[in-house]
Amino acid sequence: EAQVTQNPRYLITVTGKKLTVTCSQNMNHEYMSWYRQDPGLGLRQIYYSMNVEVTDKGDVPEGYKVSRKEKRNFPLILESPSPNQTSLYFCASTPYHLNDSPLHFGNGTRLTVT
Amino acid sequence: GQQVMQIPQYQHVQEGEDFTTYCNSSTTLSNIQWYKQRPGGHPVFLIQLVKSGEVKKQKRLTFQFGEAKKNSSLHITATQTTDVGTYFCAGRDSNYQLIWGAGTKLIIKP
Repeated sequence: EAQVTQNPRYLITVTGKKLTVTCSQNMNHEYMSWYRQDPGLGLRQIYYSMNVEVTDKGDVPEGYKVSRKEKRNFPLILESPSPNQTSLYFCASTPYHLNDSPLHFGNGTRLTVT
Repeated sequence: GQQVMQIPQYQHVQEGEDFTTYCNSSTTLSNIQWYKQRPGGHPVFLIQLVKSGEVKKQKRLTFQFGEAKKNSSLHITATQTTDVGTYFCAGRDSNYQLIWGAGTKLIIKP
């Protein structure tokens, strides 16, 4: 089944403890992206990647890192999480960014930083 | 920066009533996509509008793209409980980036 898989679904951690949220897609999509969703603010893009080894900042990149060493994987890294990073995170992918294809989203990761 | 304003933030309707959400961009868009997010779920693509003045229908859902390609709307006729969720528009700007509206949450009154 074609899908975007995120793990974990839920994560509770403490301030400063490094964490990684994984994202994997099995559709051979070139473009992958991370969003955070907060009430009243909709979806805000954190980072995106047009292809392997190509990553760019989105609208809210501070406090986050990403890597794209393989086409299928696009992990989101929080080196030193803070409470303001408590949010619902979504990974998404699409075949090719410039051809108007829709985004396919993962099921989300709800992160709480205390 | 470029923005897509989406209103209202919430809409409470009785089952069977109509629902409409509106998106307005500060700049001309290349196209606009609509997504639905069920409670506890992830956004799911509904449709894409590309042409000026375009109107598309999916059963009880009607999507419109304005003549100036700066605004769009989604209208649901005779809402059902299965329509509950948050509807997002996402417009593609001149740099080909998607700019998201904040979403409209459709709530069916008990």
